[in-house]
Amino acid sequence: EIVLTQSPGTLSLSPGERATLSCRASQSVSSNYLAWYQQKPGLAPRLLIYGASSRATGIPDRFSGSGSGTDFTLTISRLEPEDFAVYYCQQYGYSLFTFGPGTKVDIK
Amino acid sequence: QLQLQESGPGLVKASETLSLTCTVSGGSISSSSFYWGWIRQPPGEGLEWIGSIYYSGRNFCNPSLTSRLTISVDTSKNQFSLKLSSLTAADTAVYYCARHGSVWYSFDYWGQGTLVTVSS
Repeated sequence: EIVLTQSPGTLSLSPGERATLSCRASQSVSSNYLAWYQQKPGLAPRLLIYGASSRATGIPDRFSGSGSGTDFTLTISRLEPEDFAVYYCQQYGYSLFTFGPGTKVDIK
Repeated sequence: QLQLQESGPGLVKASETLSLTCTVSGGSISSSSFYWGWIRQPPGEGLEWIGSIYYSGRNFCNPSLTSRLTISVDTSKNQFSLKLSSLTAADTAVYYCARHGSVWYSFDYWGQGTLVTVSS
């Protein structure tokens, strides 16, 4: 099983600032199979990035994904008030999906 | 617009079997490009993938749950279902159904989720 680790656990920032979220895998992950989600309280997760760097339909271009192998990054270029949420990375490998524990982005 | 909706009991007793159904509307469950999956989230915790199924019935599941899990599909009703047996308090969670592709393996459409509480 590929284990995903996300850092930091919590990121305290102000609107307009840049957010950099990290996702590290215990083994190499195919870039096709790395995704990022945003989740707000009481709601289902929302797909932001698939294939490590492709934005899902309707996702603003302030969200970007990068990385390969075992190290992946989600960047939010300028935080909007609606971006404060929990972010999860997810991978697929060996016929198994796993999610990271999440990074909470909260208002400083 | 594709929509997924979970249905099932909100409260089940320990040792019993949970049955949930996901109804897909606005699109066909028989699409060759997609799988249909279940994910759960215990209160205040992270996400755990349970299993996925193709319209043909081919499925794959989380090894940690395989012994207790049955996933099935009913293309005539545009539905897929989950049965999880021998429930314990650790199975208390919000259960989501979702769609993922057969190329990108990411979940692009989700149901709103249903909270299932296992009582002793």
